[in-house]
Amino acid sequence: GQQVMQIPQYQHVQEGEDFTTYCNSSTTLSNIQWYKQRPGGHPVFLIQLVKSGEVKKQKRLTFQFGEAKKNSSLHITATQTTDVGTYFCALTLKTSYDKVIFGPGTSLSVIP
Amino acid sequence: DAGVTQSPTHLIKTRGQQVTLRCSPKSGHDTVSWYQQALGQGPQFIFQYYEEEERQRGNFPDRFSGHQFPNYSSELNVNALLLGDSALYLCASSERLAGGEETQYFGPGTRLLVL
Repeated sequence: GQQVMQIPQYQHVQEGEDFTTYCNSSTTLSNIQWYKQRPGGHPVFLIQLVKSGEVKKQKRLTFQFGEAKKNSSLHITATQTTDVGTYFCALTLKTSYDKVIFGPGTSLSVIP
Repeated sequence: DAGVTQSPTHLIKTRGQQVTLRCSPKSGHDTVSWYQQALGQGPQFIFQYYEEEERQRGNFPDRFSGHQFPNYSSELNVNALLLGDSALYLCASSERLAGGEETQYFGPGTRLLVL
């Protein structure tokens, strides 16, 4: 079946340091989405990437979609305590109707 | 404009019992998906409803069933509960846009504990 991996599983950074999480798929994707889930909360949609090599920015967050559309990354510049949470990538299978598969997530802790 | 709402917020059941969880989608959304999220893991897709029909299903047994009503709200039913069914159950609603993009909005979830 479809496999999606995320690394690292956990990341502890000092406030102000950068953070990157990587998402890898075993097959070519139609698109990839990123979500953030705060402790005790629910996933919140951040962005969707569709095009090969696409790069999108949201303030301190930079999202990339690989040229082969099999991997993606989320980079946070100068982390803040508000960035704490688990970041999930989610991919859509190209079937008759889309089914979203979530990665295992990267849990980010920010030390003030 | 209310977002996705779910009820109840918390629920405690015993093994063998049945449970019904409810979801109201974001206004204007016609598609509802259900996910199970165990502690420390990513959400696992259960199924998706569109036009009152289940149109996609994940790897969950038949004990998990659902329904979508004409107003697009949805229910998730789980029969013969097992201890392993303890999880956060998330509902997400979405609307497919003209360009094919589809953004999911998640509800706050129902936390189910099976004893």
